[in-house]
Amino acid sequence: DADVTQTPRNRITKTGKRIMLECSQTKGHDRMYWYRQDPGLGLQLIYYSFDVKDINKGEISDGYSVSRQAQAKFSLSLESAIPNQTALYFCATSDLRQDTQYFGPGTRLTVL
Amino acid sequence: DAKTTQPPSMDCAEGRAANLPCNHSTISGNEYVYWYRQIHSQGPQYIIHGLKNNETNEMASLIITEDRKSSTLILPHATLRDTAVYYCIVRVFYRDDKIIFGKGTRLHILP
Repeated sequence: DADVTQTPRNRITKTGKRIMLECSQTKGHDRMYWYRQDPGLGLQLIYYSFDVKDINKGEISDGYSVSRQAQAKFSLSLESAIPNQTALYFCATSDLRQDTQYFGPGTRLTVL
Repeated sequence: DAKTTQPPSMDCAEGRAANLPCNHSTISGNEYVYWYRQIHSQGPQYIIHGLKNNETNEMASLIITEDRKSSTLILPHATLRDTAVYYCIVRVFYRDDKIIFGKGTRLHILP
């Protein structure tokens, strides 16, 4: 969905490096989410935010941090990347009126 | 959220109706049935949701049994672009946190 963009789309990094994944949305939604997907598996929630002042941990927040810079921007950071964080990362926004989530195209992260 | 059970994979001929089943026998009265799909590593896409009545939109139809313990997503005229993993999710409407994605059903549309 072009209304939710993620940068970069692909990233290769080394163990121990700090890396930031960015998400921007033009849908005007208050709620934003970061998910991780490992090959062949479903999505796991990392962090979610209901508004600029609200940040909540998801199922697998260890090793990750987030920043909600504005209603439209939600960034995910890996402070010290490790190989088992190699995965596909998705950002999503939520439309409360219909309780549906809109996902970005994903960032493929490889940690060597 | 109630647990859902879906077949791991299904095949459907192009142009035919694809019927994807989902079992949710422990569903509560205030839980809705949602369907999303994920096309080859793209972000998941919302398809449809419903409480107890059958629902239809431009993408699909959702048939929920009277006891609400199971449902079927129907893609009326499947095309190759419908090849994807389909997720059946049960959750309370307006629940304010995560969507729990299971393993879903991998639907193969055969030419």
